[in-house]
Amino acid sequence: DVKVTQSSRYLVKRTGEKVFLECVQDMDHENMFWYRQDPGLGLRLIYFSYDVKMKEKGDIPEGYSVSREKKERFSLILESASTNQTSMYLCASSFPPPATSGRAGVSYNEQFFGPGTRLTVL
Amino acid sequence: DQQVKQNSPSLSVQEGRISILNCDYTNSMFDYFLWYKKYPAEGPTFLISISSIKDKNEDGRFTVFLNKSAKHLSLHIVPSQPGDSAVYFCAAMAAGGTSYGKLTFGQGTILTVHP
Repeated sequence: DVKVTQSSRYLVKRTGEKVFLECVQDMDHENMFWYRQDPGLGLRLIYFSYDVKMKEKGDIPEGYSVSREKKERFSLILESASTNQTSMYLCASSFPPPATSGRAGVSYNEQFFGPGTRLTVL
Repeated sequence: DQQVKQNSPSLSVQEGRISILNCDYTNSMFDYFLWYKKYPAEGPTFLISISSIKDKNEDGRFTVFLNKSAKHLSLHIVPSQPGDSAVYFCAAMAAGGTSYGKLTFGQGTILTVHP
């Protein structure tokens, strides 16, 4: 059974603090993703990683950075938290598409999500 | 630039009736589409998907229809049950090349099924 875990369900931080959100997956997935979910805006991609130490900016990377030192772990870092970063943060993982991985027959299309971290910045 | 749009923020239906959730997209490179369901305080869970080579895919009470020429897809739930009450997200992917399986999500539709 695929499992994606996130380090905290709820987090309250103060403006200017450095915040670390951790995500761990146990399915040996190459791809990992960080999203934020806001009402009326859906899920927006912050950063993703397709391999260890590799990262790509998503649609809203400003104010965030990421780290992927091990395949199973993907961290999201808020260098200096601001109130507009109050949100639900969701981590996901998946296999890459077969065109990339050469892995025929694998259900690459599905991203598996963690339970989310509700971050409040005061 | 919202490439995937769900124009109905909410939908309310009676138990046993059909729920139809709609989704439009603008990027013609998208060739794989997924629906996710999300309960409060939980992560989204995969529901059903469809490749652009098909126009329909069924899984139990859930059917997804794809109209490529209109760049439109819809999710039908028949019959609707109170447990289906959740937020439904439409997502799209350009599966080839260097997309890495990146998904673009719509804004979500809150479905409420009344007993």
